[in-house]
Amino acid sequence: GQNIDQPTEMTATEGAIVQINCTYQTSGFNGLFWYQQHAGEAPTFLSYNVLDGLEEKGRFSSFLSRSKGYSYLLLKELQMKDSASYLCAVRNGGATNKLIFGTGTLLAVQP
Amino acid sequence: EAGVTQFPSHSVIEKGQTVTLRCDPISGHDNLYWYRRVMGKEIKFLLHFVKESKQDESGMPNNRFLAERTGGTYSTLKVQPAELEDSGVYFCASSLLGPLNSPLHFGNGTRLTVT
Repeated sequence: GQNIDQPTEMTATEGAIVQINCTYQTSGFNGLFWYQQHAGEAPTFLSYNVLDGLEEKGRFSSFLSRSKGYSYLLLKELQMKDSASYLCAVRNGGATNKLIFGTGTLLAVQP
Repeated sequence: EAGVTQFPSHSVIEKGQTVTLRCDPISGHDNLYWYRRVMGKEIKFLLHFVKESKQDESGMPNNRFLAERTGGTYSTLKVQPAELEDSGVYFCASSLLGPLNSPLHFGNGTRLTVT
């Protein structure tokens, strides 16, 4: 079966660093995406990993270990506007290359 | 560049009625996907178009759901007749054909409430 697990909720302090973990078990793998979604809005693309290692993009970094079926999203210098849901999604290959989503992690950034 | 647009943003209908959701993808995006999020659960795949052809409709719940993409531009998703369990947020997403790292660009979704 297909399974993607993330913590349901996390809380962090403005200016701090937070790591959101994602583990996956899927029938195929063609890359892992992280999306950010504010309430009532569209999910917006943050990062993509297909090879093992760390991808850095400004305050956000994403890590992938394919052998462990594991990824994390690292957010540095947290800002209040980073309060949102963070979605981990695996592209499972095959003819459609569709994304399979986890339930998302709701991050609350506090002053 | 305009993003993915969906219409309507909200729809409240009674059980047994029909609703049609519309999605306009980003211009030039041949891939078009429909997803649904039911409250408290993950975003789930419904189906995938490449241009006007259905590539994968394995996620469609049942034959009350009909999706079309005539001409390979905008797409519609019709629910007929609607049931209570169809309530949720329906997202449309589009992407370029080809590159595996091409992300899906999502619309704001249509919030469907069936009463």
